[in-house]
Amino acid sequence: DTEVTQTPKHLVMGMTNKKSLKCEQHMGHRAMYWYKQKAKKPPELMFVYSYEKLSINESVPSRFSPECPNSSLLNLHLHALQPEDSALYLCASSGGLAGAGEQYFGPGTRLTVT
Amino acid sequence: DAKTTQPPSMDCAEGRAANLPCNHSTISGNEYVYWYRQIHSQGPQYIIHGLKNNETNEMASLIITEDRKSSTLILPHATLRDTAVYYCIVRVVNNDMRFGAGTRLTVKP
Repeated sequence: DTEVTQTPKHLVMGMTNKKSLKCEQHMGHRAMYWYKQKAKKPPELMFVYSYEKLSINESVPSRFSPECPNSSLLNLHLHALQPEDSALYLCASSGGLAGAGEQYFGPGTRLTVT
Repeated sequence: DAKTTQPPSMDCAEGRAANLPCNHSTISGNEYVYWYRQIHSQGPQYIIHGLKNNETNEMASLIITEDRKSSTLILPHATLRDTAVYYCIVRVVNNDMRFGAGTRLTVKP
């Protein structure tokens, strides 16, 4: 199984809402990633977890809060977002140390902040 | 990680080979060349990677010049489903991945 799943596929939320994005993989990968992708732009790295510990935070605002409850799951908690945070949020995983080898991406969650 | 330069867009006729170039003149000796593609509204998909030797898999071939300052991704028989943005990324294996602007390949019937 080389699949990374993400839920929900689409999410519309108001600026005062709290919501969470979920990512799951069962490939035994120990590194997991969150990327943000605006329309017609390349993905931008947000967070990296390695062996369930946050290893990289690319100066992401605190209204985005990642969580890695176990080696298969990665969450992104959202609170008090702004309309400019509307984007495609991609999750990825890779085997071994963070960054080693190829990354497998999920289909993304398309987030709209109203 | 080294910076890469790719043409913003390319066209290819269906059934012909698509050759996508990438310049990475500042590549270091321990940096690999990775290729990913992103079909519209999907997550990026890994294609191939290499260090200095040419590589081939079921999806594509990767040709890296002897000085490693440039490379070419070859899709041998492009189909309409190969229409996508193709990203060339240079990185040390244990480093995180940074995407450049990529090349938008359009395969035409």
